[in-house]
Amino acid sequence: QVQLRESGPGLVKPSQTLSLSCTVSGDSISSGDFSWTWIRQHPGKGLEWIGHIFKTGGTYYNPSLESRVAISVDTSKNHFSLSLTSVTAADTAVYYCARDVTLVGMDVWGQGTTVTVSS
Amino acid sequence: DIQMTQSPSTLSASVGDRVTITCRASQSIGNSLAWYQQKPGKAPKLLIYLASSLESGVPPRFSASESGTEFTLSISSLQPDDFAMYYCQQYSRYPYTFGLGTKLEIK
Repeated sequence: QVQLRESGPGLVKPSQTLSLSCTVSGDSISSGDFSWTWIRQHPGKGLEWIGHIFKTGGTYYNPSLESRVAISVDTSKNHFSLSLTSVTAADTAVYYCARDVTLVGMDVWGQGTTVTVSS
Repeated sequence: DIQMTQSPSTLSASVGDRVTITCRASQSIGNSLAWYQQKPGKAPKLLIYLASSLESGVPPRFSASESGTEFTLSISSLQPDDFAMYYCQQYSRYPYTFGLGTKLEIK
């Protein structure tokens, strides 16, 4: 079955760029009617949708983060990535990647990776 | 942004009880609503999509319905495994938004 796994640094300094990857296994990232999504969860808080990318490369971002965020996909490596620039302590969170099935929702999730922004 | 108002924020119940969680959208979202269950330290799990469709593998004691902009998730006979956080999410308009969650705890 399809599995997702996030990877990247667990500690990022303020003002730097947070970069995470999500590797998809069990299926091609180019197959199906899916988008590939990033969500985050601040400590002890709810879920925040960051944005997603379609296999065509089209993206949609949360306006609250749009000036700092970019999501890209590398079909040759079967992974997609998140880049968040100029991070502050407010970006400390668990970051999840997920597969979003059109008109259904996020049916497959990574296990999540904790990112702490601190000097 | 579409606001999703979820209630209650905490729900105390016992094994075997029937419980209902409500989510109200700030504007019309049709049936573009999903429900997720999240346990501590784990990723959310999709339970319901299109407001009332049960995701494959989810026990039938979970059900959901919609009435206009009000959506409900019900669990007919609580099992120990059901005590968790529950979130609604709209995917009608960008940005997709979640409710703040309902903590279902053991009474």
